[in-house]
Amino acid sequence: DAGVTQSPTHLIKTRGQQVTLRCSPKSGHDTVSWYQQALGQGPQFIFQYYEEEERQRGNFPDRFSGHQFPNYSSELNVNALLLGDSALYLCASTSFRRSSYNSPLHFGNGTRLTVT
Amino acid sequence: QKEVEQDPGPLSVPEGAIVSLNCTYSNSAFQYFMWYRQYSRKGPELLMYTYSSGNKEDGRFTAQVDKSSKYISLFIRDSQPSDSATYLCAMRGEYGNKLVFGAGTILRVKS
Repeated sequence: DAGVTQSPTHLIKTRGQQVTLRCSPKSGHDTVSWYQQALGQGPQFIFQYYEEEERQRGNFPDRFSGHQFPNYSSELNVNALLLGDSALYLCASTSFRRSSYNSPLHFGNGTRLTVT
Repeated sequence: QKEVEQDPGPLSVPEGAIVSLNCTYSNSAFQYFMWYRQYSRKGPELLMYTYSSGNKEDGRFTAQVDKSSKYISLFIRDSQPSDSATYLCAMRGEYGNKLVFGAGTILRVKS
């Protein structure tokens, strides 16, 4: 049973560029959340997708956008990259349809983004 | 002031010791409390998941939640070198999946 998978594992971009990160949820999960983890910090919530719609959003600018596909996989897009966007980007999944809000999040190993 | 406070450590203990990790929080709406373990270059791995106040035990791990004090703890018995990792507390309200994390405590267990 595959867990949450993310690609790529590492990425280096230049300031001002755009980046797309990808996530496949754990088998049986239908809800995907994205988190940003800066070095030495805990993860910070970016947004959550369910039924291909953004359901909740954290305190991140509009440069951060996402998408969920009919197969529940998801993309995170970041435009106009800043040096401060360098971080580990984590995808997490859960099953809302099976257990409403009662099931915990399962995380992938993340994409390490470096902006130079 | 952060919603969730966690001492970053590092906490260094000898193998076999009992480890106590703690978090305090300010938002009384938090109802679900979690502990995640994160190894270097990996994503967080769920260790314990509890609802409201009380204790929960799973093998060598015990989680405690005291909502009246807004204080949660994770105890690790018979600690092993393989327990060396960063431990993140996380919590959320009744609805939604937005987790609020502490900054993480680095634990080092020496053999």
